[in-house]
Amino acid sequence: QLQLQESGPGLVKPSETLSLTCTVSGASINRSSYYWGWIRQPPEKGLEWIGNIYYSGSTYYSPSLKSRVTISVDTSKNQFYLKLTSVIASDTAVYYCARRAGTNYYMDVWGRGTSVTVSS
Amino acid sequence: QSVLTQPPSVSGAPGQRVTISCTGGSSNIGAGYDVHWYQQLPGTAPKLLIYANSNRPSGVPNRFSGSKSDSSASLAITGLQAEDEADYYCQSYDSSLSDWVFGGGTKLTVL
Repeated sequence: QLQLQESGPGLVKPSETLSLTCTVSGASINRSSYYWGWIRQPPEKGLEWIGNIYYSGSTYYSPSLKSRVTISVDTSKNQFYLKLTSVIASDTAVYYCARRAGTNYYMDVWGRGTSVTVSS
Repeated sequence: QSVLTQPPSVSGAPGQRVTISCTGGSSNIGAGYDVHWYQQLPGTAPKLLIYANSNRPSGVPNRFSGSKSDSSASLAITGLQAEDEADYYCQSYDSSLSDWVFGGGTKLTVL
């Protein structure tokens, strides 16, 4: 059964870089039918798409975050990653990694999420 | 402010039917992009409930159904159960923004 698990620091200082890892188990990230992505949810707020990556390395980012976001993949480890630079308080959120069903615009399998707080 | 508009809250008694609306515009739902729905139970991750307007993933009860018309979509829940109490989000794609867009979410309360 496919499972995704986020990991990374729960606290990041303002102006620093947020780095998260998503470990995929139960399926190969190399599978050509799927993309992999990140979504976040600020406290008591709605969902925000961050971006997606294909196993080949092709990436698609939300225009609102594009200047600060990098998503990468390591197929040998069956992991993909999120880096968000120059973080500010409003980047505080629960960050979810998820699988995108092919070229469809939805996520069909989600991780449990990891909470990240931006504070000094 | 979300690109897709949902009512902040809806409620219903057990066994009743409720609907949640999702209103978009000419660059997203009205442009023909599919609408998808997620259910987020308290303290948990979102779960795909309906994809491509009206399709249920395996395991989702047929009490949940989706529809789309023009620039809007709706999620209907029949035979309401206490376990349905959750936040529900609609989602689509916006070609003007080149961005995935979500509704602000609707909190369903089972009375």
